[in-house]
Amino acid sequence: DSGVTQTPKHLITATGQRVTLRCSPRSGDLSVYWYQQSLDQGLQFLIQYYNGEERAKGNILERFSAQQFPDLHSELNLSSLELGDSALYFCASSTDGTRANEQFFGPGTRLTVL
Amino acid sequence: KNEVEQSPQNLTAQEGEFITINCSYSVGISALHWLQQHPGGGIVSLFMLSSGKKKHGRLIATINIQEKHSSLHITASHPRDSAVYICAVSGGETSGSRLTFGEGTQLTVNP
Repeated sequence: DSGVTQTPKHLITATGQRVTLRCSPRSGDLSVYWYQQSLDQGLQFLIQYYNGEERAKGNILERFSAQQFPDLHSELNLSSLELGDSALYFCASSTDGTRANEQFFGPGTRLTVL
Repeated sequence: KNEVEQSPQNLTAQEGEFITINCSYSVGISALHWLQQHPGGGIVSLFMLSSGKKKHGRLIATINIQEKHSSLHITASHPRDSAVYICAVSGGETSGSRLTFGEGTQLTVNP
């Protein structure tokens, strides 16, 4: 158990809908990362938050947004869902978000868009 | 060309065999990470390396910074080692602390 929690574990929804994925980092970790794992693109970085502020952005679609709250949990919002958004979404946390910091992964949320 | 390349893509071994998975990267980094992804999907961090060699149980990871190459070795492999092993790098000048991943190596260890 990494200490990172993600909810829900599975999510099945329809095209055009909006969903929210939630992540709670390990106790004391200030940085949260969101990654997407799809069959055709592998694991890709989406976005990073550090202590409530956006730190870095990767290949995140404009339909997707995220935030980190004062209690350090983070939410990833996916809207106008398309079939291609079906993937495993992982969040990871690290202590301070510096360049050589071990990241601890949550169990992931499996999103299926029908 | 991907920034992180792994080989082989697939590896089948017999229980007890010594296994090596290789990773090459083409960018400057601060650290290289080896991750294990179980059949159920969960990802576990095995090692984070900046230089030299690390050992944990039957797993050994090495990195050669000059050659931009890392290897993950598993000694006395066991069927429970069957998983996808993923190499990732972090700390490049433009990439910060995000992880950039290789495509993974699917390892199957037969009894």
